[in-house]
Amino acid sequence: GENVEQHPSTLSVQEGDSAVIKCTYSDSASNYFPWYKQELGKRPQLIIDIRSNVGEKKDQRIAVTLNKTAKHFSLHITETQPEDSAVYFCAASFSGSARQLTFGSGTQLTVLP
Amino acid sequence: DAGVIQSPRHEVTEMGQEVTLRCKPISGHDYLFWYRQTMMRGLELLIYFNNNVPIDDSGMPEDRFSAKMPNASFSTLKIQPSEPRDSAVYFCASSLAGPGNFYEQYFGPGTRLTVT
Repeated sequence: GENVEQHPSTLSVQEGDSAVIKCTYSDSASNYFPWYKQELGKRPQLIIDIRSNVGEKKDQRIAVTLNKTAKHFSLHITETQPEDSAVYFCAASFSGSARQLTFGSGTQLTVLP
Repeated sequence: DAGVIQSPRHEVTEMGQEVTLRCKPISGHDYLFWYRQTMMRGLELLIYFNNNVPIDDSGMPEDRFSAKMPNASFSTLKIQPSEPRDSAVYFCASSLAGPGNFYEQYFGPGTRLTVT
């Protein structure tokens, strides 16, 4: 089955700086890679996703990149703000078979004012 | 849309008691997932359904756990008997095929279960 590794487990940045979270996956058949943000005590919320037919996707201050050859994908947050502080989870899925997502272990991002 | 609805939001029970968690998926979604989240193990998929039929329950930890989906708008996760190690946040999520046959999952608010 799929295995997703996520790094780092914790990340502290100064407000205004950029943050990068990286994930690797094992199943070359995976073709859907969402990112979820979970604030303390709340549900995971989908913030952005990328499909394997593109290498990069941007949405305002958030971008994801995908390297299918190396089987890794990354989340980039620019101009970080205190409200970006949360746990971020990456995930991978293969749409052609089972629909479950395999999640990474999460990254606790803290944006220092 | 109200999103995925779960009840109760918090449950405190004593070891050995039966616990039933409930979920109402987003209307029209054809997949429903039950997850458990703990600090030690992160987000774990327990079971998922497609069109009310259980597809994969390999994540269910043991026979004390069972899940049902009697119709498209309701699912339950039952733990009988409950144990302290079952204490966790249980999330329900639902999804619907989108363009390109990808499935975005939307999570409910979760049920925080504490077993004493």
